[in-house]
Amino acid sequence: QSALTQPASVSGSPGQSITISCTGTSSDVGAYNYVSWYQQHPGKAPKLLIYDVSNRPSGVSNRFSGSKSGNTASLTISGLQAEDEADYYCSSYTSSSIFVVFGGGTKLTVL
Amino acid sequence: EVQLVQSGAEVKKPGESLKISCKGSGYSFTTYWIGWVRQMFGKGLEWMGIIYPGDSDTRYRPSFQGQVTISADKSFSTAYLQWSSLKASDTAMYYCVRRGPTGTMDYWGQGTLVTVSS
Repeated sequence: QSALTQPASVSGSPGQSITISCTGTSSDVGAYNYVSWYQQHPGKAPKLLIYDVSNRPSGVSNRFSGSKSGNTASLTISGLQAEDEADYYCSSYTSSSIFVVFGGGTKLTVL
Repeated sequence: EVQLVQSGAEVKKPGESLKISCKGSGYSFTTYWIGWVRQMFGKGLEWMGIIYPGDSDTRYRPSFQGQVTISADKSFSTAYLQWSSLKASDTAMYYCVRRGPTGTMDYWGQGTLVTVSS
């Protein structure tokens, strides 16, 4: 199955807000409210940030928020901090496979 | 507390076999799918396959079918990923993940680095 489309990189200054997009199709992102976002710091395992489009697991900062419109989901990070510098991946449930489809990842640089 | 704990890093030669493990704890191991995700150096996340420990239903991504074997031993709450003949191109970090019913990968193992080099 095709990967979801994310920008390769985004950047922002401390305190700013940034948004990372994740574009799929009407068979995955557009069809279900089952988009997740993961944060991966260098050398570490990915960590769940957002599930079911906009829900945060316990312990995840409310500076992270998710939304969706049509076939595109978005992750917004507000009040950017140096520790937010990481790779971010989206994924979506798809009815065509047991395997959720991943985005290619976005590298966030905090300037 | 839910945890997935993977076996340690491995260094192997091409043609050798390998089996790495992922032990689940803090939840009912038989009621969630456990998947394996490959991450090659500097690259993104790729699903390899997934198993439901409750009945050992196993699925593979086409590109990994026949290349690896996924299994689980529910009496030990452990899932496995194995190769019968490693290639240099298998060098990567491998993560096990717990997959929830809506596809959320809510818990990840710490990763097992596999290095295949002559």
